Amino acid sequence: QQPVQSPQAVILREGEDAVINCSSSKALYSVHWYRQKHGEAPVFLMILLKGGEQKGHEKISASFNEKKQQSSLYLTASQLSYSGTYFCGTTYNFNKFYFGSGTKLNVKP
Amino acid sequence: DTEVTQTPKHLVMGMTNKKSLKCEQHMGHRAMYWYKQKAKKPPELMFVYSYEKLSINESVPSRFSPECPNSSLLNLHLHALQPEDSALYLCASSRQGNEKLFFGSGTQLSVL
Repeated sequence: QQPVQSPQAVILREGEDAVINCSSSKALYSVHWYRQKHGEAPVFLMILLKGGEQKGHEKISASFNEKKQQSSLYLTASQLSYSGTYFCGTTYNFNKFYFGSGTKLNVKP
Repeated sequence: DTEVTQTPKHLVMGMTNKKSLKCEQHMGHRAMYWYKQKAKKPPELMFVYSYEKLSINESVPSRFSPECPNSSLLNLHLHALQPEDSALYLCASSRQGNEKLFFGSGTQLSVL
């Protein structure tokens, strides 16, 4: 039932870009993105509430295609601090929040 | 105050022990969650409280018993756990359903 993310893992050099995809077999009405560093709790990055919405800052942004039931997270000019596991997530029923399968990002110097 | 406080940070217990995990938030959030996370896996939803009432139980075994004494406090009572229950237990809260989740730092539980 959880959203599926791709790729499962990615290794980048500092300054490189990455795209993480999140897709759902069920209708998506909103998408959250979180980053979790090893041994820590997930930290909220952003939420997209409407199809076609794009959000974020210059270097970390996301888009949401409601019709395709997909969202993508864009990481531009990656920094070492971007390393961690990224999770998308969504609420299928009110309050039932499910995380996606996760994408492990490793940024190397 | 934008914190969710979880205690204890680490817990080791035997299979016959009874212990409790505690979670507290003072942000006025009306939805509170328990998640279980195994290494290298996403957090799995266990329970959701909405306005202090249990609204979601994801078919969690009865050896896990949640409790929400008031709008700021969430407990998870543990009894007769199995070694496979060893995991990171995360508490989270949100203002309402489908809003940003704020997480506590988690309790790393080991069952011997």
